Amino acid sequence: GIQVEQSPPDLILQEGANSTLRCNFSDSVNNLQWFHQNPWGQLINLFYIPSGTKQNGRLSATTVATERYSLLYISSSQTTDSGVYFCAVRPLYGNNRLAFGKGNQVVVIP
Amino acid sequence: NAGVTQTPKFQVLKTGQSMTLQCAQDMNHNSMYWYRQDPGMGLRLIYYSASEGTTDKGEVPNGYNVSRLNKREFSLRLESAAPSQTSVYFCASHIEPTSAAWGIRLFFGSGTQLSVL
Repeated sequence: GIQVEQSPPDLILQEGANSTLRCNFSDSVNNLQWFHQNPWGQLINLFYIPSGTKQNGRLSATTVATERYSLLYISSSQTTDSGVYFCAVRPLYGNNRLAFGKGNQVVVIP
Repeated sequence: NAGVTQTPKFQVLKTGQSMTLQCAQDMNHNSMYWYRQDPGMGLRLIYYSASEGTTDKGEVPNGYNVSRLNKREFSLRLESAAPSQTSVYFCASHIEPTSAAWGIRLFFGSGTQLSVL
């Protein structure tokens, strides 16, 4: 099946810093989503972004489908950004289930 | 609307006991999923159901059974719990797009933390 790799696995940020999270995937996809899991375990949709760039407040995401990667940018990080960020993709061919990466654990310290 | 509702939130079982995790969604979604989350492993698909009356295995189905009772409900059953099934379980759902060009937006329940002793 499709492989999804996220980097870096762990990241510690000073409040106010910027960061970039990366998601690489091994095959063509027709769906890519970024999720945030907060420290209480709740999983929240951030972006649906199979290609192009989107922005939502301090967060933005870019997917370059032809090169099989997506980036999630966090600007001016806040302690509420702490948690795990997951990338999930749906392959264009084969089974149509979402495959998740192992996540980026982010800790923002005040 | 409540979205995706999972029960219970916490459960402790002894090895060999059985239990059913319940999931219901009120968004009229076709597709429903059960995932488990283990430290450092991300979310792994146990079973999914593309529509009422259909179910299919995911990556890690062994030791589990599912029932898609109706469009709203999708339950996960552990017949004989094992310590390896200690995990956090998430139910999720989405509506199936009518075109391959459309994406899906997955909605998650709040999770069930299960410990098997």
